[in-house]
Amino acid sequence: GAGVSQTPSNKVTEKGKYVELRCDPISGHTALYWYRQSLGQGPEFLIYFQGTGAADDSGLPNDRFFAVRPEGSVSTLKIQRTERGDSAVYLCASSFDRGDTQYFGPGTRLTVL
Amino acid sequence: AQKVTQAQTEISVVEKEDVTLDCVYETRDTTYYLFWYKQPPSGELVFLIRRNSFDEQNEISGRYSWNFQKSTSSFNFTITASQVVDSAVYFCALSEAYNTDKLIFGTGTRLQVFP
Repeated sequence: GAGVSQTPSNKVTEKGKYVELRCDPISGHTALYWYRQSLGQGPEFLIYFQGTGAADDSGLPNDRFFAVRPEGSVSTLKIQRTERGDSAVYLCASSFDRGDTQYFGPGTRLTVL
Repeated sequence: AQKVTQAQTEISVVEKEDVTLDCVYETRDTTYYLFWYKQPPSGELVFLIRRNSFDEQNEISGRYSWNFQKSTSSFNFTITASQVVDSAVYFCALSEAYNTDKLIFGTGTRLQVFP
């Protein structure tokens, strides 16, 4: 079946702008995760959803970052007042349930000029 | 605190050589899970294996094998008879039973296999 999909694949924006990154998980997966991967580093956890609720947002770096999953499927990561340091690949993953193996999407490469 | 260390930043081998990627982890939890993911140039993380802390049996899947040793907190990955298609960045990751939501990744090992 279809894997995790993410749109856009690339996003270039200017400092101070607002961006939205979308994730469509594997059908039937109740758990959804966002990670951020900087150049030469491993992915770092941002937030985890179980169903519609954010069960763990301890990885969000500051209040400019926010994520939603209103119907328990598609999720949107929102970044306000983008900064150059936000430039990274944003990865989304999903799993059948909490604690199950996470399957990753192709990522969105965000570049803030 | 939980931590994953992949000391090898980059490894280069010639096709058909065997290669071992090292992974050392730290955790205070007695129940945890270990993973390996492959990230080819396309960027998507591909799941390879998941092991729980109670299962120290080595695993073999085709040319891939994994050696889990709790005594040394290591979970090493060996590719036998490497191929050019194995070229990628490989990540080791850890999750703890009390917080299975969060994967803690190492910094990755870039493997280049030359023909």
